[in-house]
Amino acid sequence: QTVVTQEPSLTVSPGGTVTLTCASNTGAVSSGYYANWFQQKPGQAPRSLIYTTTNKHSWTPARFSGSLLGGKAALTLSGVQPEDEAEYYCLLYYNRLWFFGGGTKLTVL
Amino acid sequence: QVQLVQSGVEVKPPGASVKVSCKTSGYSFRNYGISWVRQVPGQGLEWVGWVYGLTFDTNYAQNLQDRVTVTADTSAATVYMELRNLRSDDTAVYYCARDANWIVDYWGQGTLVIVSS
Repeated sequence: QTVVTQEPSLTVSPGGTVTLTCASNTGAVSSGYYANWFQQKPGQAPRSLIYTTTNKHSWTPARFSGSLLGGKAALTLSGVQPEDEAEYYCLLYYNRLWFFGGGTKLTVL
Repeated sequence: QVQLVQSGVEVKPPGASVKVSCKTSGYSFRNYGISWVRQVPGQGLEWVGWVYGLTFDTNYAQNLQDRVTVTADTSAATVYMELRNLRSDDTAVYYCARDANWIVDYWGQGTLVIVSS
């Protein structure tokens, strides 16, 4: 059973920088896990932010970036805005299947 | 513009089946897949399954593969997700999302499925 783990919650100050991570119990996350990242606000459908680890969609704000960090996929927000308060989910591809992380609740305070 | 429009709320008794549709537009249906994702109220996202528009290849989450079928109708540019033998813990919002070449980008608005006697 593949389990993907994210920080349950993080808090950041407006204008600050925060990094969310995404780990797999199958081993170190590499580019072959094709990590995607999503933002979800209450009552809304998820919104795609990052695909294949580092690539941004045309609508993704420049302050969001994806990377690999210490064997995990990572999402970094630089210059955090109040509207970035949301739940963030990573999605990893393994053995032809997709697996979501449990989500990180990001509070901007 | 790319759009994914899903069917409306469903209320079903335990043991029944439900079939949710996802009508796509604004892109070449055959060149992309569609994933289904569900979310139990107040909980996280769970990947359910995927179909590819060109070959109709499918993959399913291991915990649902005995009860779920995802199909595609190319002529209607529509994908369907059928879940059988419904249980109360299948109550969730079901989303479709465009998915190809490991890129998940556009999402439907979600369909609430309520399983209740």
